[in-house]
Amino acid sequence: DAGVTQSPTHLIKTRGQQVTLRCSPKSGHDTVSWYQQALGQGPQFIFQYYEEEERQRGNFPDRFSGHQFPNYSSELNVNALLLGDSALYLCASSPGLAGGLFYEQYFGPGTRLTVT
Amino acid sequence: KQEVTQIPAALSVPEGENLVLNCSFTDSAIYNLQWFRQDPGKGLTSLLLIQSSQREQTSGRLNASLDKSSGRSTLYIAASQPGDSATYLCAVTGTSGTYKYIFGTGTRLKVLA
Repeated sequence: DAGVTQSPTHLIKTRGQQVTLRCSPKSGHDTVSWYQQALGQGPQFIFQYYEEEERQRGNFPDRFSGHQFPNYSSELNVNALLLGDSALYLCASSPGLAGGLFYEQYFGPGTRLTVT
Repeated sequence: KQEVTQIPAALSVPEGENLVLNCSFTDSAIYNLQWFRQDPGKGLTSLLLIQSSQREQTSGRLNASLDKSSGRSTLYIAASQPGDSATYLCAVTGTSGTYKYIFGTGTRLKVLA
């Protein structure tokens, strides 16, 4: 059973460019969350997708946007990249949110983004 | 606003020592508390998850306790080994309606052979 997968592993972009990161959830999971982890910090919640809609959002600017596809995979898009966007971007998946219960999230290996 | 703090920020110990990592949180109304391990540049590996109704969880040489009323959790590692060297993160989740993890900044552990 494959776990959460993310692509690419690493990428380097220039300030002002746009980037798309991809995530495939664990089998049987339909909810995907994205986190940003700056060097030496704990991960910060960006947003969560469920049933192809953004369900909850953290304190990130509109330059950060996402999408969830019918097969539950997800993309994170960042526009107008800043040097401060350099970080490890983690995707996490979990079962559905029926009943308002919280389910454990399973994390992928991350995508390392470097903005120069 | 929930805040999670981990002390110490870094720790270096000789092999074989028993050690305790601390995590504190400001809002006791949590749903879960989870401890993760992170190797440099890698993703997160879940170690232990404690539900709000539980007081502790154990897995091998690891034991995590939770005291919601005081806003504290500890991760106990017995007989530390060089392979335990990593960053240890704790994270809490809120009550129904908030589906995100709130992480501490981690404790960087180095176990010397």
